[in-house]
Amino acid sequence: AQTVTQSQPEMSVQEAETVTLSCTYDTSESDYYLFWYKQPPSRQMILVIRQEAYKQQNATENRFSVNFQKAAKSFSLKISDSQLGDAAMYFCAYRRDSGNTPLVFGKGTRLSVIA
Amino acid sequence: GAVVSQHPSRVICKSGTSVKIECRSLDFQATTMFWYRQFPKQSLMLMATSNEGSKATYEQGVEKDKFLINHASLTLSTLTVTSAHPEDSSFYICSARESVLAGETQYFGPGTRLLVL
Repeated sequence: AQTVTQSQPEMSVQEAETVTLSCTYDTSESDYYLFWYKQPPSRQMILVIRQEAYKQQNATENRFSVNFQKAAKSFSLKISDSQLGDAAMYFCAYRRDSGNTPLVFGKGTRLSVIA
Repeated sequence: GAVVSQHPSRVICKSGTSVKIECRSLDFQATTMFWYRQFPKQSLMLMATSNEGSKATYEQGVEKDKFLINHASLTLSTLTVTSAHPEDSSFYICSARESVLAGETQYFGPGTRLLVL
């Protein structure tokens, strides 16, 4: 079974600084998708960024970028120029490329942003 | 992005009663909907996967007779917690996907907080 591990339960960053959240996963599949979701205090899950495993280029969305290392099965999220609104729980998620499969979530990392 | 709504946002009920939670995809047709449960400060735990017009597939350990899921249309899925007990108190989140393609983005509802007294 696929598993997703987030080894950092909590992280903090100074406003305007950069922070990296770690995520590793375990799978025997070669084709799959990886996601980072943000869950602010409102508890609404928001998609931050996604990465297709077949793409070598790291995904980027404005201040958010990933470092996807397929061989190492690592998928870290870098947040640049951190803002107070970035404070939230961040979940790394995996889905294999096979029909109607659900997302598998990590346990999450709580990010605090210090003004 | 696409919008998924949930109703009610919070509900308080007495032990032994049943509670129905609705999940709607507002601007797309959801071939597949997922129901998650989230305890405080924990991750999302998948309860079941439902496809329109067919029976839901429940995860191991989830009682299908207690958590009734109906996906009667491409825009509506319901979760009914039958004979609710205090241990069923939790945050329930639905999620929807437009197609069965694995790459399709999964959108989440805002969640329903259930408190059973």
